Amino acid sequence: EIVLTQSPTTIAASPGEKVTITCRASSSVSYMYWYQQKSGASPKLWIYDTSKLASGVPNRFSGSGSGTSYSLTINTMETEDAATYYCQQWSSTPPTFGGGTKLELK
Amino acid sequence: EVQLVESGGGLVQPGRSLKLSCAASGFTFSNYYMAWVRQAPKKGLEWVATISTSGSRTYYPDSVKGRFTISRDNAKSSLYLQMNSLKSEDTATYYCARQRWETLFDYWGQGVMVTVSS
Repeated sequence: EIVLTQSPTTIAASPGEKVTITCRASSSVSYMYWYQQKSGASPKLWIYDTSKLASGVPNRFSGSGSGTSYSLTINTMETEDAATYYCQQWSSTPPTFGGGTKLELK
Repeated sequence: EVQLVESGGGLVQPGRSLKLSCAASGFTFSNYYMAWVRQAPKKGLEWVATISTSGSRTYYPDSVKGRFTISRDNAKSSLYLQMNSLKSEDTATYYCARQRWETLFDYWGQGVMVTVSS
């Protein structure tokens, strides 16, 4: 099973600040997917195929990476971006998720 | 608009069974793999089961294999999860999710809570 490790576990950012969340895989994966989950809500697909934004996702978000290291970046933090973000892989079964990164507003 | 609505959750004793349902609308249900993903309280996401478009193929992680069964009724646009021999560690919110390209979860239901406790 491929283990995904996200860092940091929690991060606080001010509006306008740049934020980067990292996801490291225990083995190489072809693509990484990212989900946003707000408190009390279900997850939403946010980024797919490593760098493609899901429908409705603001272009201040971006994704990058390859092999065992991937990242999600917010160019300029906005209030609505406060949420928990999860990475996910399915290069091998079982699909696995990272432990999540909670992004808080400073 | 894609909608996934789960039902059937509740409080159940350890060792007992429970069946979850998911009603899908807004897309051609029979064209998509479907899945269940769960989230224990204050914890992360865990994949529970996947079923192919026809229902002929099913996939499970070791943690639920032999105890959980995923099924579907394409005529009713419905997905199911039969959970047997429930354990306290199965306590979680269970989400019904549509899969895209068999590798990611592009739409999620609102979730249904399952609590396994005596």
